[in-house]
Amino acid sequence: DIQMTQSPSTLSASVGDRVTITCRTSQSISSWLAWYQQKPGKAPKLLIYKASSLESGVPSRFSGSGSGTEFTLTISSLQPDDFATYYCQQYSTYRTFGQGTKVEIK
Amino acid sequence: EVQLVESGGGLVQPGGSLRLSCAASGFTFSHYNMNWVRRAPGKGLEWLSYISDSGTTIYQADSVKGRFTISRDNAQNSLYLQMNSLRAEDTAVYYCAREAAIEGATLPDYWGQGTLVTVSS
Repeated sequence: DIQMTQSPSTLSASVGDRVTITCRTSQSISSWLAWYQQKPGKAPKLLIYKASSLESGVPSRFSGSGSGTEFTLTISSLQPDDFATYYCQQYSTYRTFGQGTKVEIK
Repeated sequence: EVQLVESGGGLVQPGGSLRLSCAASGFTFSHYNMNWVRRAPGKGLEWLSYISDSGTTIYQADSVKGRFTISRDNAQNSLYLQMNSLRAEDTAVYYCAREAAIEGATLPDYWGQGTLVTVSS
């Protein structure tokens, strides 16, 4: 099975900050990686697919990069609506999620 | 509008069984692969099981193999998760998620709001 390591687990930031979250996989997944945002009591929302493609309707301040085993999600200028938990997910072999990163208000 | 509505959650004793349902609307259900995912209290998302559009291909996480069974009824636009031998650690919100074909692969794109399963005596 493919293991996912997402870091950090918690991130404290202010509105306007640039934020980066990292996801590493135990074996190469090419670019078959997605990023999701989840808010309390809500369903997860797809942000990024194929490592760097922005889902329709997602603000351009979100971007993804990487391939192989190392990936990043960047929020270029954090907005109040972005305080949430973020997950990476590989869909190369079955599906596996990272442990999640909670983005909190500093 | 794509809608996925889970039901069937509730309180069950350890060792008991429960069957979750997911009612799909707003899209041609029989054309889409589907998943079950859960989120335990204080923990992250955990993928549980996948079923192909026709129901012929099924994948399961090791954590639920032999206890949980995914199935679907395309005539009823419904997805199911039969959960047996439930344990306290199965307590979670359970989500169904549709997979969309995007640029050469399928991945979850729409999710339901979830149904809470509590395993406790």
